[in-house]
Amino acid sequence: AQSVTQPDIHITVSEGASLELRCNYSYGATPYLFWYVQSPGQGLQLLLKYFSGDTLVQGIKGFEAEFKRSQSSFNLRKPSVHWSDAAEYFCAVAPEGSNYQLIWGAGTKLIIKP
Amino acid sequence: NAGVTQTPKFQVLKTGQSMTLQCAQDMNHNSMYWYRQDPGMGLRLIYYSASEGTTDKGEVPNGYNVSRLNKREFSLRLESAAPSQTSVYFCASSEPGGGTGELFFGEGSRLTVL
Repeated sequence: AQSVTQPDIHITVSEGASLELRCNYSYGATPYLFWYVQSPGQGLQLLLKYFSGDTLVQGIKGFEAEFKRSQSSFNLRKPSVHWSDAAEYFCAVAPEGSNYQLIWGAGTKLIIKP
Repeated sequence: NAGVTQTPKFQVLKTGQSMTLQCAQDMNHNSMYWYRQDPGMGLRLIYYSASEGTTDKGEVPNGYNVSRLNKREFSLRLESAAPSQTSVYFCASSEPGGGTGELFFGEGSRLTVL
């Protein structure tokens, strides 16, 4: 069955430090890949997406993600986190032809230390 | 531009009571979705509507019904609420097919069933 794994439930990072959130998916072909962010008490907002082409994609708020086909991974990175980045981050995949029916990871909660 | 609007934001029910969650979008999107979010489980699709006049079951449809009232509105009904339906519910919309695949979310409706 198709699945998305975010192995880290929580990650704590100092303000100004770099960040990498991991995402692995299980799917035969290359799906469409997404990262969403959920601030406390809010809905989810799209950070970035990968459909095809350049495997390093840039998103909003200074985030980027790299698709690695050989590792079935789509990890999210940011060079220097800010206190406002504290939120929960969700990786999602939509198998090609699924009409964007997303399969979601369980989420990673990012905690920022001052 | 309001985007996706959900009502109510909070609701407390007793077991066996019924209620309807309302959702409206003003982006002229064809597709609409209802998700539930539970800690550590990410988002799970309850029902979706690919276009006006159609609805389909998602991953966890039991205990719920939906109505796609028109292109703008998609409601979720709990006929006989159970404590297992305590959750945060999100409505989302998207433009499938030639669209970007991005989901636009409402702010959520927190439901507690006692």
